[in-house]
Amino acid sequence: NAGVMQNPRHLVRRRGQEARLRCSPMKGHSHVYWYRQLPEEGLKFMVYLQKENIIDESGMPKERFSAEFPKEGPSILRIQQVVRGDSAAYFCASSPPSAGYFSGYTFGSGTRLTVV
Amino acid sequence: AQRVTQPEKLLSVFKGAPVELKCNYSYSGSPELFWYVQYSRQRLQLLLRHISRESIKGFTADLNKGETSFHLKKPFAQEEDSAMYYCALFNNAGNMLTFGGGTRLMVKP
Repeated sequence: NAGVMQNPRHLVRRRGQEARLRCSPMKGHSHVYWYRQLPEEGLKFMVYLQKENIIDESGMPKERFSAEFPKEGPSILRIQQVVRGDSAAYFCASSPPSAGYFSGYTFGSGTRLTVV
Repeated sequence: AQRVTQPEKLLSVFKGAPVELKCNYSYSGSPELFWYVQYSRQRLQLLLRHISRESIKGFTADLNKGETSFHLKKPFAQEEDSAMYYCALFNNAGNMLTFGGGTRLMVKP
């Protein structure tokens, strides 16, 4: 079991381009969470998805950011028209289905986005 | 609504000194609390969870419901403890973790 795989590890984009970050959850995990870590700041929740559903997107900026977790394939966090302030580390975590108890998060190694 | 507060962004101590990283929470239900650690440029790892009442790498944390706190403690800090530490609360209604802002621990030689 390869764990939570995020790619790319590093991504450089020019202002105005699009950034696509991918997250493949652990085998058997159907819940995916995206977090953003700005330089010298803590971890901020962005969005929680299950297969084909967005459960909670209260931490997502209203514009330019979107996320999906299709039936097949990885979860994608998409940032359109990137700006310098989007430069950050983006972490994905996955967890198995649960019945209201905490069944554990596994984090990926993150994608470091740099906007130049 | 649930909230996790880590009042210190940075904590700097000398090797061998005691360490206490503070965490306070607000939650209407019965809390499940955790500490995660992130070493330089690595992924977050679970350090300990309150229901386990365990000690990992010399760290312990006690849930104090009266003070709504879950402070992380270690009697003698080591240089390799230098890392970012996050306190987290599980919201079983939303089935997700809410993290505090994190505290960077620096242990100086």
